[in-house]
Amino acid sequence: EPEVTQTPSHQVTQMGQEVILRCVPISNHLYFYWYRQILGQKVEFLVSFYNNEISEKSEIFDDQFSVERPDGSNFTLKIRSTKLEDSAMYFCASSGDSTEAFFGQGTRLTVV
Amino acid sequence: TQLLEQSPQFLSIQEGENLTVYCNSSSVFSSLQWYRQEPGEGPVLLVTVVTGGEVKKLKRLTFQFGDARKDSSLHITAAQTGDTGLYLCAGDRGAGNNRKLIWGLGTSLAVNP
Repeated sequence: EPEVTQTPSHQVTQMGQEVILRCVPISNHLYFYWYRQILGQKVEFLVSFYNNEISEKSEIFDDQFSVERPDGSNFTLKIRSTKLEDSAMYFCASSGDSTEAFFGQGTRLTVV
Repeated sequence: TQLLEQSPQFLSIQEGENLTVYCNSSSVFSSLQWYRQEPGEGPVLLVTVVTGGEVKKLKRLTFQFGDARKDSSLHITAAQTGDTGLYLCAGDRGAGNNRKLIWGLGTSLAVNP
């Protein structure tokens, strides 16, 4: 069964460092998303991406965040200068023509 | 602000009991999805409801979308220990095929043997 895959599963980084979280969406999907979940809190929408550009972003997705689809299969989230409060689970999702979004297993980012 | 409120937040029951969890909002959603999440993993889609008043069944799980498409419920019949987990509802506020999901905090269910 097709699935969304994310790497790495866990990333530890020092405050101020840049991190890149990677995702391989389901191959025939056209819409890609990043969400995050701070421990004990709600899942929060960050950004959606379609046709090689951002279609919508939340207020959380400020200038330190960027997304890219560098090739035909990967979808990345870059955090330029990490802060302690960026520590969270980051989930990638993708959707096709249906109403459903399918999520990866997540990357646990720990900023120290 | 679009909010989804889930209740109860925590639920602990004995195997074999029935339960209902609720997902309420003041906003209308084009669709509403129920997910189940295990600790340290991503949400796994259970069902999507689209039409007001729609009822969907998935084995012992029954999902209902309110007539006004603002609320939903999940009913589990004869709960089993394997049903233990975090149940999340997410309402879709995206336009067209863009899925922008607004999430509830979840209901943490523990089914005891």
